Amino acid sequence: QKEVEQDPGPLSVPEGAIVSLNCTYSNSAFQYFMWYRQYSRKGPELLMYTYSSGNKEDGRFTAQVDKSSKYISLFIRDSQPSDSATYLCAMSDSSASKIIFGSGTRLSIRP
Amino acid sequence: GAVVSQHPSWVICKSGTSVKIECRSLDFQATTMFWYRQFPKQSLMLMATSNEGSKATYEQGVEKDKFLINHASLTLSTLTVTSAHPEDSSFYICSAVAVAKNIQYFGAGTRLSVL
Repeated sequence: QKEVEQDPGPLSVPEGAIVSLNCTYSNSAFQYFMWYRQYSRKGPELLMYTYSSGNKEDGRFTAQVDKSSKYISLFIRDSQPSDSATYLCAMSDSSASKIIFGSGTRLSIRP
Repeated sequence: GAVVSQHPSWVICKSGTSVKIECRSLDFQATTMFWYRQFPKQSLMLMATSNEGSKATYEQGVEKDKFLINHASLTLSTLTVTSAHPEDSSFYICSAVAVAKNIQYFGAGTRLSVL
């Protein structure tokens, strides 16, 4: 079993829809949870960063962490074609010595 | 803030030559930098962890003599692909962790094509 599981997609939704991206994990030591966005042939860009459980909102993006279920989510409201990219969840323990990435979900927003 | 610069963005080289990729943290100090490799439509694969002033820690299966890593200062790490072969063609990405923070900031990546 992988430490972090993420559906690779592809996920295609119409412009304006709400997008839900999810990851599950098995290591209860993870405390830091991140979502990165990666455009084709570019490095990942940090979108959201959450410590422990709870919600965090930044503009159209909301990150949720449920440590009891070992489940994290990223919601994108009012999705735009420019949101089309691969979204990677990532997490680490308190040492941050290593980040474990999900396999990434390819998202396409149809105009 | 938290900008990581990676150069070159794309390099084409002949088989047998060596290629150096630089990773710089422009506005913060990074005690730790990471080097990843990414194949098309796949996730990031950690190659090695680079700590300033000490030897890099390589992941299992990564040849340390082929992928030389130097982390000479708190703002610069380099990856040298020695005697490159076509199978080394890939997308290489570095990241840096800011001192006293737990966030990795990524460079834009380097596309290596070995002919």
